[in-house]
Amino acid sequence: EVQLVESGGGLVQPGGSLRLSCAASGFTFSGYWMHWVRQVPGKGLVWVSRINGDGTSTTFADSVKGRFTISRDNAKNTLYLQMGSLRAEDTSVYYCARAGYNYDSGVYYFDHWGPGTLVTVSS
Amino acid sequence: DIQMTQSPSSLSAYVGDRVTITCRTSQIITKYLNWYQQKPGKAPKVLIYAVSNLESGVPSRFGGGGSGTDFSLTINGLQPEDSATYYCQQVYITPHTFGQGTKLEIK
Repeated sequence: EVQLVESGGGLVQPGGSLRLSCAASGFTFSGYWMHWVRQVPGKGLVWVSRINGDGTSTTFADSVKGRFTISRDNAKNTLYLQMGSLRAEDTSVYYCARAGYNYDSGVYYFDHWGPGTLVTVSS
Repeated sequence: DIQMTQSPSSLSAYVGDRVTITCRTSQIITKYLNWYQQKPGKAPKVLIYAVSNLESGVPSRFGGGGSGTDFSLTINGLQPEDSATYYCQQVYITPHTFGQGTKLEIK
């Protein structure tokens, strides 16, 4: 059974840093692109970042570019999101998601998600 | 960035009804359109990928369609458990933007 479990969320002061982890199990982790998506409680979903299977390609939303980094440790089946220079507007539930690929359609989609971890940026 | 505009923002319907949610994109995204369902306090769950393909395990009352910049999610024969917020998402280019969501209430 595919499982994704985020951890590392919590309360952090503006300007501070935090590292989120996403522990994966039940599938060949290195074979999948992984993504981070965030959501202010009660609001919509916002895509944050992605990383390819071997960690050599990363992409970020403009809102976090230069402040966040994404990485993975395939030996530990773990995805990371290092967040720095945090702002109040980064307060959200952060989800990690696996990008499943359908070969018939040539389209990928987020087929498994973790339960999310809440990050609160406040003094 | 590709803008995603869902309508309506909310709707209310009865068990057994048919409802349609639309998603308009700011540029052509061909087949790169997915739909998700999210219930309160839970992670999103994929319903439809590549415009019209039903994810395994999703009830057949859910269907997707459209092309170009106009897409739709239809639910035939609403069930009480369909009460949720629904999001469209484009995976044509990054950032993989989502629609603002459509909250569906079952009367």
